[in-house]
Amino acid sequence: AQTVTQSQPEMSVQEAETVTLSCTYDTSENNYYLFWYKQPPSRQMILVIRQEAYKQQNATENRFSVNFQKAAKSFSLKISDSQLGDTAMYFCAFMREGRWIQKLVFGQGTRLTINP
Amino acid sequence: DTEVTQTPKHLVMGMTNKKSLKCEQHMGHRAMYWYKQKAKKPPELMFVYSYEKLSINESVPSRFSPECPNSSLLNLHLHALQPEDSALYLCASSQVLADKPYEQYFGPGTRLTVT
Repeated sequence: AQTVTQSQPEMSVQEAETVTLSCTYDTSENNYYLFWYKQPPSRQMILVIRQEAYKQQNATENRFSVNFQKAAKSFSLKISDSQLGDTAMYFCAFMREGRWIQKLVFGQGTRLTINP
Repeated sequence: DTEVTQTPKHLVMGMTNKKSLKCEQHMGHRAMYWYKQKAKKPPELMFVYSYEKLSINESVPSRFSPECPNSSLLNLHLHALQPEDSALYLCASSQVLADKPYEQYFGPGTRLTVT
């Protein structure tokens, strides 16, 4: 079974700083997908970024980028120039590749607070 | 339209009540999901429908009964719930293609309180 571990329950940084959220996972699969989801307080969960395991290039989406280390089974999220609106719970998630429906396996989450 | 809607936003029910949660999406997605989320915890998968057929049931108690009337709608019927069932119930949807997982789009959730 796959597991996802986020070792930082809470983090807090000042606005405009760069912050990195850690995620490690355990799997025996070779092909899989990794995701970071953001859940702001009392708001909907949205996808921040996704990474296919077969791609060596790290995914980026504007101020969000990942450091994907397949051999180390590590998938960290870097937020540059952090903004107040980045305050949220961040979940790292794993999905194996396979036919049809595959489950998302979530980490326990990191609560990120951006301070003005 | 990349929106999943859920009604009601909040629901308070007694342990003997029967109520339903509703979810709707118009993105043409053929997979729909119910999750339960406790405070400060990740979502826990409950059910998955694929092409209007139940494909995953994560051993959820029978007091939760899902229904998928058509490709856009997903219901969760609740009956004889316990106080520990109080949680945020999230609906999600995604495309379905063989061998290619697609990201799930989440609704805002229904905050359920069982008294």
